[in-house]
Amino acid sequence: EDQVTQSPEALRLQEGESSSLNCSYTVSGLRGLFWYRQDPGKGPEFLFTLYSAGEEKEKERLKATLTKKESFLHITAPKPEDSATYLCAVQEGNYGGATNKLIFGTGTLLAVQP
Amino acid sequence: DAGVTQSPTHLIKTRGQQVTLRCSPKSGHDTVSWYQQALGQGPQFIFQYYEEEERQRGNFPDRFSGHQFPNYSSELNVNALLLGDSALYLCASSLGSTGWVSNQPQHFGDGTRLSIL
Repeated sequence: EDQVTQSPEALRLQEGESSSLNCSYTVSGLRGLFWYRQDPGKGPEFLFTLYSAGEEKEKERLKATLTKKESFLHITAPKPEDSATYLCAVQEGNYGGATNKLIFGTGTLLAVQP
Repeated sequence: DAGVTQSPTHLIKTRGQQVTLRCSPKSGHDTVSWYQQALGQGPQFIFQYYEEEERQRGNFPDRFSGHQFPNYSSELNVNALLLGDSALYLCASSLGSTGWVSNQPQHFGDGTRLSIL
């Protein structure tokens, strides 16, 4: 069964303390991996799409990387405003069973203290 | 540039009632997907609409139905509400493709918080 697992469930960092969030996935074929940020009471905000192993994307203090089995979201010198839940989602796709749905993990709750 | 807008923001219903949630996609998008997000969980795919037709459906009962209008806006209808239907309902829009599958990123609205008493 397709599965997306995120770790850790929660992470507390001091301002400026860099770290990484992990997203491991098992799908029969990957069409795309998506990272989102979700603030309390809000919908997920799109951050990155990664399509193939070895691909990297950067935006401000965030950098996403992708291997054949997992993705990492690296946060460099985080600030309190980076506090949020970070969600990873995969879209399965191969010649036998491509799909439009996103399969989400349960997220990592990040708290950055000043 | 207006993003995805959903209405209402909050709704309280009782068991057995019916509810309709509405979504306007981001400008330029033609595909709408609906997700259910329980507290502390990731969103779960309900279904996707493209060109006014249901393109794909997740593991949700027939009590969940939808519609897409010619202007690409969409509605989610839930009949015979159960306590377990209490959740945040999210609408996401994206740019579709003439092929059956599109891997363009989906952009989400802020959702409708549905509470069932």
